[in-house]
Amino acid sequence: SQTIHQWPATLVQPVGSPLSLECTVEGTSNPNLYWYRQAAGRGLQLLFYSVGIGQISSEVPQNLSASRPQDRQFILSSKKLLLSDSGFYLCAWRSFYGPRNTEAFFGQGTRLTVV
Amino acid sequence: DQQVKQNSPSLSVQEGRISILNCDYTNSMFDYFLWYKKYPAEGPTFLISISSIKDKNEDGRFTVFLNKSAKHLSLHIVPSQPGDSAVYFCAAGTGANSKLTFGKGITLSVRP
Repeated sequence: SQTIHQWPATLVQPVGSPLSLECTVEGTSNPNLYWYRQAAGRGLQLLFYSVGIGQISSEVPQNLSASRPQDRQFILSSKKLLLSDSGFYLCAWRSFYGPRNTEAFFGQGTRLTVV
Repeated sequence: DQQVKQNSPSLSVQEGRISILNCDYTNSMFDYFLWYKKYPAEGPTFLISISSIKDKNEDGRFTVFLNKSAKHLSLHIVPSQPGDSAVYFCAAGTGANSKLTFGKGITLSVRP
């Protein structure tokens, strides 16, 4: 069975500090990978998605970047955090193969507070 | 421009009654729709989906209805249980695109 791991669960970082959130998926190959952010009152906003190693699409201009160094690893980064980067970050994966190919499966999320 | 809209931020229902959660969309290219349930500090979990070629899909207590002409879908939960209290997100996607677009979510409270 497939599982998705996302860490850390919570993070408090000062303004101007760097960020690295990691997500890994097990039990599947060549998944589509996604980073979403849930900010208060704004639902789930898609930040980045990747259809393969080294392939990153950005959905909104922002202070963040994403990388996919391996097939099942997706990293969200920032060089200098802003207060507005606070939120709940969610990694998700999806496969276009098999009977459940329209669903995205989410990790447990990271609560980031920038102070 | 929000392509998936959940205009009601919250809903309160008595246990045992029906919960009806609504969702509207603007992009006529969407060809499948999903509902997710989310508890605080957890990732969303998939509930039920529907393809645009259908107008109804049922799974236990959960039924999703799709009205393509109105660009509207709804999730019915019957009977509602206190454990159903959570935030519910509507999402939509296209077969030719790898993105899922989510609404802002509806907070459902089921009163015992």
